[in-house]
Amino acid sequence: ILNVEQSPQSLHVQEGDSTNFTCSFPSSNFYALHWYRWETAKSPEALFVMTLNGDEKKKGRISATLNTKEGYSYLYIKGSQPEDSATYLCAFIVLTGGGNKLTFGTGTQLKVEL
Amino acid sequence: KAGVTQTPRYLIKTRGQQVTLSCSPISGHRSVSWYQQTPGQGLQFLFEYFSETQRNKGNFPGRFSGRQFSNSRSEMNVSTLELGDSALYLCASSLGQKAEAFFGQGTRLTVV
Repeated sequence: ILNVEQSPQSLHVQEGDSTNFTCSFPSSNFYALHWYRWETAKSPEALFVMTLNGDEKKKGRISATLNTKEGYSYLYIKGSQPEDSATYLCAFIVLTGGGNKLTFGTGTQLKVEL
Repeated sequence: KAGVTQTPRYLIKTRGQQVTLSCSPISGHRSVSWYQQTPGQGLQFLFEYFSETQRNKGNFPGRFSGRQFSNSRSEMNVSTLELGDSALYLCASSLGQKAEAFFGQGTRLTVV
C-alpha cells in the first residue's frame, strides 16, 4: 500500500509570512509528483508536476522542490497572502506500466490571516 | 476552452438505490479518473479510463463501476448505495501520466 504523508496537517500564518509544507512518499518506482491547491467551493487546481530528482519549479510566490531518492517534496510560499488560504495536496504516481493513478496525501490546510 | 463538467452537482439518494454520475472531460483529454472524498480522508482513487478502457482501479467494492464512451465522456455508477457512500465525487481529465489533472466541480452525493 502506497502512503503519501503531508505535514503539517494545518497551518495558520500572518499575511507576509513565508511558509513551507512537506510531502513524503515512497521512493521506489517513482514516476511523478503533483501539487494541487484546493480552495473552498472550487476544484483542485494543479500547481506543479515534477518528475526529476532535484527538480525545482516556481510559479509566482510559490515554489517546490523534489527529492526522489529520499522520497520528499517541499512546497514554499513566500510572503503569504489571504488568497493563498487553501488546502495544498500532493499526489504521487508510481511506475506501474501505464495508467494515471494519483495517490493523494490528506493535504495541508493553510489559513493566512490579515 | 471548456473545463471538466460534472453532473449533477448535488444528489440525494436512499440506501439501496443506485446512482449514475457523469463527467465530460476537456476536449482532447482521453484519460478520465474518478476520486472519492469523505470527511477526514484524502482523495481516494476509484478508477481511470483511457480510450474507453479501464486502465487502473482503486480499492473499492464491485458496487462501484464506470465506463467511458468514444467521445471520452465518462460515467460512474454506484449500485446498492450505503450510507458510507455519501461523499464528494470528483472527476479529473488529463493528457497523460506526467500531465496535470484538471478537476471538475464534483458531485456531492448524500445517501439517506
